[in-house]
Amino acid sequence: DSGVTQTPKHLITATGQRVTLRCSPRSGDLSVYWYQQSLDQGLQFLIHYYNGEERAKGNILERFSAQQFPDLHSELNLSSLELGDSALYFCASGADSIPDTQYFGPGTRLTVL
Amino acid sequence: ILNVEQSPQSLHVQEGDSTNFTCSFPSSNFYALHWYRWETAKSPEALFVMTLNGDEKKKGRISATLNTKEGYSYLYIKGSQPEDSATYLCAFTGGGADGLTFGKGTHLIIQP
Repeated sequence: DSGVTQTPKHLITATGQRVTLRCSPRSGDLSVYWYQQSLDQGLQFLIHYYNGEERAKGNILERFSAQQFPDLHSELNLSSLELGDSALYFCASGADSIPDTQYFGPGTRLTVL
Repeated sequence: ILNVEQSPQSLHVQEGDSTNFTCSFPSSNFYALHWYRWETAKSPEALFVMTLNGDEKKKGRISATLNTKEGYSYLYIKGSQPEDSATYLCAFTGGGADGLTFGKGTHLIIQP
């Protein structure tokens, strides 16, 4: 158990809908990273928050957004969902703003029908 | 665009044999190279973080080496056991606030 929690574990929704994925980092970690694992793709970095502030964006679509709250949990919002958004979404937490060891949550499996 | 390549894509090894696989990464703007182990239905678990050229790290029967000048790292598993079956991921970071850039992994299957 990494100490990182993610909810929900599974999510099934329809095209055009909007969903919110939630992540709570390990106690004491200030950084939250979001990654997407699609079929045949490696883990792709989406976005990084550190202590409530956005620090870096990766391959994140404009339809996706995220935030980190004062209690350090983070939410990834995915809107106008398309079939191609079906993927496993991981969050990972770390102590620092520079990526040292990252601790991954169990992931949220999103299926868009 | 950063390119992190891992080879082979998959590997079948007999129980008790030793094995190794490769990760290649950009040799410029290097900060750290990570190895993760990812078992089916679980989340990636950190094995090593290596930062210095010539670094060698060891955890039980698993070890890794790093060559930052030529941009490669090897992961070695000695005396493979069935519980070593997993996908092994390497990930590169240049030290900025960006997340890790992952390779697609080497899928290791240990056959009894």
